Amino acid sequence: DQQVKQNSPSLSVQEGRISILNCDYTNSMFDYFLWYKKYPAEGPTFLISISSIKDKNEDGRFTVFLNKSAKHLSLHIVPSQPGDSAVYFCAARRFISNFGNEKLTFGTGTRLTIIP
Amino acid sequence: TAGITQAPTSQILAAGRSMTLRCTQDMRHNAMYWYRQDLGLGLRLIHYSNTAGTTGKGEVPDGYSVSRANTDDFPLTLASAVPSQTSVYFCASSEHPGQGLNQPQHFGDGTRLSIL
Repeated sequence: DQQVKQNSPSLSVQEGRISILNCDYTNSMFDYFLWYKKYPAEGPTFLISISSIKDKNEDGRFTVFLNKSAKHLSLHIVPSQPGDSAVYFCAARRFISNFGNEKLTFGTGTRLTIIP
Repeated sequence: TAGITQAPTSQILAAGRSMTLRCTQDMRHNAMYWYRQDLGLGLRLIHYSNTAGTTGKGEVPDGYSVSRANTDDFPLTLASAVPSQTSVYFCASSEHPGQGLNQPQHFGDGTRLSIL
């Protein structure tokens, strides 16, 4: 059962335009949502996160929107740059207080290519 | 540069052999994690450790074991490798997880393992 879904395996966007990456989830217990960026032969690096009680978080060119009723989030990159070409993973966090640990559930990733 | 070091970067292993993947962090993070990344499946949690001396099972723990003798090291052992364990393995760490997202998980660059 895939609790976090990224339905677009790939996306190509012209440099300077907006890139929109989408993610859907099914579990209402998730309390934070995160986006990670991954270059080939490197580990994922954290990009931006949003609490489940918010609907928007912005950091420079990156904005994440959360629609809790639709169980949908999206990452907007404006303007897109060639260095943004990477695989983007959506992740959802669940904190289990009894055990003091957090569990991240990842989507399958979207490969973003920025066309110069 | 502070971070997570994984070794080896890649390995080819005969089925039935044992192997230990090494992971060391110098950030004094309490929690550490092992994930595997497979095409079309995203990253899946194998085992985790909330603090030195404790470990727990993730989504896909079968065929793997871990230990956490100290804060910095979190080795992952395959006792008898099988071809289905061919994957890219990522180690991650984070500060003590809390109800707020104090710090997102920080990943190493991965070990690419092929079981023949």
